[in-house]
Amino acid sequence: NAGVTQTPKFRVLKTGQSMTLLCAQDMNHEYMYWYRQDPGMGLRLIHYSVGEGTTAKGEVPDGYNVSRLKKQNFLLGLESAAPSQTSVYFCASSYSGPQQFFGPGTRLTVL
Amino acid sequence: KQEVTQIPAALSVPEGENLVLNCSFTDSAIYNLQWFRQDPGKGLTSLLLIQSSQREQTSGRLNASLDKSSGRSTLYIAASQPGDSATYLCAVGYGGSQGNLIFGKGTKLSVKP
Repeated sequence: NAGVTQTPKFRVLKTGQSMTLLCAQDMNHEYMYWYRQDPGMGLRLIHYSVGEGTTAKGEVPDGYNVSRLKKQNFLLGLESAAPSQTSVYFCASSYSGPQQFFGPGTRLTVL
Repeated sequence: KQEVTQIPAALSVPEGENLVLNCSFTDSAIYNLQWFRQDPGKGLTSLLLIQSSQREQTSGRLNASLDKSSGRSTLYIAASQPGDSATYLCAVGYGGSQGNLIFGKGTKLSVKP
């Protein structure tokens, strides 16, 4: 099993550009999450999903959209990237909630 | 609003020492508490999960305790090794079955040979 994978690993964007981060899990987990990790701020929840076709806002959802069209995939979109969105993005999944399995992260820089 | 604080922010110890990492949270109405390990440039690995009804969990040289009433948790690492060097994150679970977590900022541990 690959666990939780994230694509791409690194990305540099210019302000105003758009992109989509892909998270995939092969553990048949119901719950999936997107976090961002910033120096001095810890990890913060952006959006999450409790099942295929569902999404919900987390702590810092502004500027991001998500979709869960397939159970194994959770996409995070930035429609118009801003320098404040420079961060490391982590995806996680879990079967029943508490114990989450994390991907390796995507390092995004917005110039 | 729930806040999670970890003290110290960084810790350097010689190999073989026993050590304690601290985590405190402001709202005792939590569902669970987890300790994670993060290596540089990597994702997080769950080490121990303590449900709100439990007092402690143990895995190998690691022992985590939970005192909900005082809003505290500790992670005890016995006989530390250089391979234990990493950042340790504490996270409290809220929101029922969704498993939403609020993380502390972590303690960066360095174990010197």
